[in-house]
Amino acid sequence: EVQLVESGGGLVQPGRSLRLSCAASGFTFHISAMHWVRQAPGKGLEWVSGISWDSGTIDYAVSVKGRFTISRDNAKNSLYLQMNSLRTEDTALYYCAKTLSCTGGACSDYWGQGTLVTVSS
Amino acid sequence: QSVLTQPPSASGTPGQRVTISCSGSRSNIGINFVYWYQQLPGTAPKLLMYRNNQRPSGVPDRFSGSKSGTSASLAISGLRSEDEADYYCAAWDDSLSGYVFGTGTTVTVL
Repeated sequence: EVQLVESGGGLVQPGRSLRLSCAASGFTFHISAMHWVRQAPGKGLEWVSGISWDSGTIDYAVSVKGRFTISRDNAKNSLYLQMNSLRTEDTALYYCAKTLSCTGGACSDYWGQGTLVTVSS
Repeated sequence: QSVLTQPPSASGTPGQRVTISCSGSRSNIGINFVYWYQQLPGTAPKLLMYRNNQRPSGVPDRFSGSKSGTSASLAISGLRSEDEADYYCAAWDDSLSGYVFGTGTTVTVL
């Protein structure tokens, strides 16, 4: 069974940092590109960041570039998102996902349940 | 503010065909593949379409995708009550060097 389990969300003050983790199982994580996608309360989806299987290609949304850092540990089947200089507009449910990046063959689509980040003073 | 524009809402009666549009530009839809997602209330998104018109295993053939120029469309034929959800398009944007999602469309089955 495929599982993506996010953790690390919570309430944090503006300007502070938070690190999200995503534990993957049930699929070949070490050869999968992975993404973080967020959804502010009552709003639409926003792609945050993506990382290739070997960490050789990393991309960020303009809104988080320079503040967020995506990383992975294939030995631990884990994906991370280090979020610094948090702003109130970063408040959202953060999903870890193996989706998009479909370059050939069938396209897999796995999502976690999300972890809520609330930035407020 | 999203660079992919969708109508806020669409509706139809059971059995009807509903089409959702996604308008972009050359840097995204114009030269890259389009994805479509369905998000049921309170759940994570689910991939409905990839590479413009390819359905993942398990997605009913009532759902179909197309692309022309800088716009894409998702069609739902034989509309069913369980199709009530939010729908999002997405594509890579070469100018932004990142993926962008559409503004989202809420489909209501009357």
